[in-house]
Amino acid sequence: EPEVTQTPSHQVTQMGQEVILRCVPISNHLYFYWYRQILGQKVEFLVSFYNNEISEKSEIFDDQFSVERPDGSNFTLKIRSTKLEDSAMYFCASTPTSGGYNEQFFGPGTRLTVL
Amino acid sequence: AQSVAQPEDQVNVAEGNPLTVKCTYSVSGNPYLFWYVQYPNRGLQFLLKYITGDNLVKGSYGFEAEFNKSQTSFHLKKPSALVSDSALYFCAVATNTGFQKLVFGTGTRLLVSP
Repeated sequence: EPEVTQTPSHQVTQMGQEVILRCVPISNHLYFYWYRQILGQKVEFLVSFYNNEISEKSEIFDDQFSVERPDGSNFTLKIRSTKLEDSAMYFCASTPTSGGYNEQFFGPGTRLTVL
Repeated sequence: AQSVAQPEDQVNVAEGNPLTVKCTYSVSGNPYLFWYVQYPNRGLQFLLKYITGDNLVKGSYGFEAEFNKSQTSFHLKKPSALVSDSALYFCAVATNTGFQKLVFGTGTRLLVSP
């Protein structure tokens, strides 16, 4: 069964450093998402991406964040200058088409720890 | 704005007993409702969804959920719990406007004892 993969599983970085979280969505999917989950809190939407453009972003997704699909398979989330409060689990998700009725397929997550 | 409430942080049930995990929602427009499960060190796995039609929807692993429009609820149920059902369960809502951003509840930990 095809699945979304994410690397690394755990990333430790120093405050102020740049990090890139990587995701490989399911191959025939066209819509991509990033969510995050701060420890003990709910899963929060960050950004959606389609056709090489951001479709929607939350207030969390400020200028420190960017997303990119650099090739035909990877989907990345970059945090330019990490802060302590960026420590969280980051989930990538994808769907084949648009429409709120589609279930999203999630990756296993990357745990980001900012020291 | 869309929101989801899961009033119970944890639900405890004995194996073989029925289980219910509660979820209520608030949206403007028609809701699309989802249940996801998260096992330790794993991503979110889709269980089931309500889009339209029959208020009782069936999903993976014997789970089902009942949509109640008047009570704005979408409770997850299973007739007979298994120890292996122990996990973190998330309710989520999307709408038919724009792209399908999911809004999640805070999650309910289900603990099934042998």
